[in-house]
Amino acid sequence: DADVTQTPRNRITKTGKRIMLECSQTKGHDRMYWYRQDPGLGLRLIYYSFDVKDINKGEISDGYSVSRQAQAKFSLSLESAIPNQTALYFCATSEGKSGGIKETQYFGPGTRLLVL
Amino acid sequence: SQKIEQNSEALNIQEGKTATLTCNYTNYSPAYLQWYRQDPGRGPVFLLLIRENEKEKRKERLKVTFDTTLKQSLFHITASQPADSATYLCALRYNQGGKLIFGQGTELSVKP
Repeated sequence: DADVTQTPRNRITKTGKRIMLECSQTKGHDRMYWYRQDPGLGLRLIYYSFDVKDINKGEISDGYSVSRQAQAKFSLSLESAIPNQTALYFCATSEGKSGGIKETQYFGPGTRLLVL
Repeated sequence: SQKIEQNSEALNIQEGKTATLTCNYTNYSPAYLQWYRQDPGRGPVFLLLIRENEKEKRKERLKVTFDTTLKQSLFHITASQPADSATYLCALRYNQGGKLIFGQGTELSVKP
């Protein structure tokens, strides 16, 4: 979905390096999310933000940090990358209101990260 | 913690047949359940939503059912086509927290 963009699309890095994955959206949504996807494990939530001042840990936040620079931008950082953080990372957005269809999530194209 | 289980084995069917995918959950029922489609190398795309007080929802060739007694949702694609080949994810939203919990997905392959 072109409304949610992620950069870079692919990244190879070495153990111990700090890297940042960026997400931008033009949908005007308040809520943004970072997931990682591993084969057989599905999508797991790393962090989520309901607005610029509200950031929350997901189920697997250890080793990651985030920054919500503006309503439209949500960045994910790996402070010191390790090989088991090799995965496909997705950013997603949803409207700010609760209830059914408004909580549909719109995903970016993903970032494929390889940590050597 | 809440668990969601989808068929881990890929589903292979012939074009024109109905594909049926299963999503089972444990513990208490969600406020609603969503189904997404994911193509290789792409992000998931929303397909359908069904609420806990709804038994069935339809959209074109797609049908979703929700049985809170069985703690199960079924996702049907009728008159399946090779273009329907993808991985299908179910996701549950509970009243607390505002987060979706995703299943691991089931890969569907429709052969011509």
